[in-house]
Amino acid sequence: GESVGLHLPTLSVQEGDNSIINCAYSNSASDYFIWYKQESGKGPQFIIDIRSNMDKRQGQRVTVLLNKTVKHLSLQIAATQPGDSAVYFCAANQAGTALIFGKGTTLSVSS
Amino acid sequence: DAMVIQNPRYQVTQFGKPVTLSCSQTLNHNVMYWYQQKSSQAPKLLFHYYDKDFNNEADTPDNFQSRRPNTSFCFLDIRSPGLGDAAMYLCATSRDDTNQPQHFGDGTRLSIL
Repeated sequence: GESVGLHLPTLSVQEGDNSIINCAYSNSASDYFIWYKQESGKGPQFIIDIRSNMDKRQGQRVTVLLNKTVKHLSLQIAATQPGDSAVYFCAANQAGTALIFGKGTTLSVSS
Repeated sequence: DAMVIQNPRYQVTQFGKPVTLSCSQTLNHNVMYWYQQKSSQAPKLLFHYYDKDFNNEADTPDNFQSRRPNTSFCFLDIRSPGLGDAAMYLCATSRDDTNQPQHFGDGTRLSIL
């Protein structure tokens, strides 16, 4: 079955720096990947997703990169702000199967 | 505007006393999910409904049941809560179950006395 893991449980950055959160997945048949942000006391909030037929997708201040060869996914946040402080989860699935969440990286942004 | 609404936000129940958590959605999505999330852990899928079809995860305890009376509402019933069931319970929806983002509510935090 699928397993999804994040490389670092915590990441601390300065305001204005770029942040990179990395994720690895195990199932080469996974074809859909998604990043969520979860603030304290709230549910996960959708950030960005990517399908396996792409290797890069950009949103507002965020970019997701997918490397299917090494089964690696990353989330890049440009010009990180204090409001970006949260727990970030990656998740992956194969069509018709459950979305499997990684353990989460806590991003702390200091001013 | 809240699109996935969970009530109540905080629920306290006694050990062994049945409890029901509620979820409603204004997105008209076909799929509704229930997750359990314990402190500092990832959400864990309990089950989901695709329309009226119920799909239980293999390791979900029998103590957990769900009902979906219509498209908009879904309930999580815990028949005999134990101390280990204290957690955040998250409801999510998606348009269908293939390669679609899930939209989460803000959860119900369940405490067991």
